[in-house]
Amino acid sequence: QVQLEESGPGLVKPSGTLSLTCAVSGGSISSSNWWSWVRQPPGKGLEWIGEIYHSGSTNYNPSLKSRVTISADKSKDQFSLKLSSVTAADTAVYYCVRSVIALVVATTHNWFDPWGQGTLVTVSS
Amino acid sequence: DIQMTQSPSSLSASVGDRVTITCRASQSISSYLNWYQQKPGKAPKLLIYAASSLQSGVPSRFSGSGSGTDFTLTITSLQPEDFATYYCQQSYSTLRTFGQGTKVEIK
Repeated sequence: QVQLEESGPGLVKPSGTLSLTCAVSGGSISSSNWWSWVRQPPGKGLEWIGEIYHSGSTNYNPSLKSRVTISADKSKDQFSLKLSSVTAADTAVYYCVRSVIALVVATTHNWFDPWGQGTLVTVSS
Repeated sequence: DIQMTQSPSSLSASVGDRVTITCRASQSISSYLNWYQQKPGKAPKLLIYAASSLQSGVPSRFSGSGSGTDFTLTITSLQPEDFATYYCQQSYSTLRTFGQGTKVEIK
């Protein structure tokens, strides 16, 4: 079964760039699914950041689009997140997630499964 | 953006109770609605996709219904392991959005 694991620095300075990588195991990033990043500030709800397809196509949350870059390395079955000009408001647990695309009763649907365990990134000097 | 509003924000229930959580979309999203369960310190887990399809391995006491703007997650006979926070999420728009969550606590 597909498993995802995030890695990267747990502490980033304000105005710096947050960089995380998600390693996919038990499956290929080149499968017919998208690969997403979702974040959750401490004690708060979930926010979709963006996604990438193995072709390199991306979609981003407009609220973050100017600061976000998601890329993929098919040879390593990994995808990455870069978020620039971070502030304390970017402190959150960051999850990498498979964005499943599948037919349900002849209609294409999309859902998030599975999720990585999450990694807390704190923005602080 | 499509806004997702859950109610209630929290509830207290006893083991064995029937629990219903509602999710309302700010516009019609057909059946493009998913439900997740999150326990403290853990990643969310998919329960229901496409409004009413039960994810493999999820107990049958969980069920989802609805279409358009109004959706419901029902847990029949609440179990100790069901105390958690539940989120709805729409996949109608490329900009996926979540409800604010409903925390189910022990009475």
